[in-house]
Amino acid sequence: QVQLVESGGGVVQPGGSLRLSCAASGFTFSSYGMHWVRQAPGKGLEWVAFIRYDGSNKYYADSVKGRFTISRDNSKNTLYLQMNSLRAEDTAVYYCAKDITGTPYYFDYWGQGTLVTVSS
Amino acid sequence: SYVLTQPPSVSVAPGQTARITCGGNNIGSKSVHWYQQKPGQAPVLVVYDDSDRPSGIPERFSGSNSGNTATLTISRVEAGDEADYYCQVWDSSSDRRGVFGGGTKLTVL
Repeated sequence: QVQLVESGGGVVQPGGSLRLSCAASGFTFSSYGMHWVRQAPGKGLEWVAFIRYDGSNKYYADSVKGRFTISRDNSKNTLYLQMNSLRAEDTAVYYCAKDITGTPYYFDYWGQGTLVTVSS
Repeated sequence: SYVLTQPPSVSVAPGQTARITCGGNNIGSKSVHWYQQKPGQAPVLVVYDDSDRPSGIPERFSGSNSGNTATLTISRVEAGDEADYYCQVWDSSSDRRGVFGGGTKLTVL
């Protein structure tokens, strides 16, 4: 069965950095694109970033472009999100989600999320 | 950038039919996907490619897409269907990005 387990969330001061991880199992990780999606408290879903199955293409939401970097290690079945220059508005639950294909389309499995709080 | 518009809330009595709309410019030319999210839980895919259902999703969930509106239809609504519902597309224009609608809270009266 597909499992996605996020980790790395926590409390960070504005301007700080954090790296999220998503450990994948139950499928051939290196064959599928992966996304990060976030949800601010009491708000809707916001797509954050996508990485192609082989890491060759990456796309970002305007709200995080230049501050966040998505990456993956197919040898470790792990997805990452490096978050720099964090702002209060980045406070959210961050979900990793598996795409149905190697290129971006839609999300067929989601992790349970990890909470990031940006506050002084 | 591409925008998807959903009504904030829809209410329906048990056993009735709920219809949740998702508006977007010429959305009929795109593939629309729908997710259900219950409080404290991760989203779950309920309809993909406008009208297909993943395994394990009841036949009561169906979808359609034409013109400027996609619709998620839930027949014979049950109390357990109360949740937030989000539509989603992948915008393949020059600014490639995922796009979600703002979400619709389905209340079962």
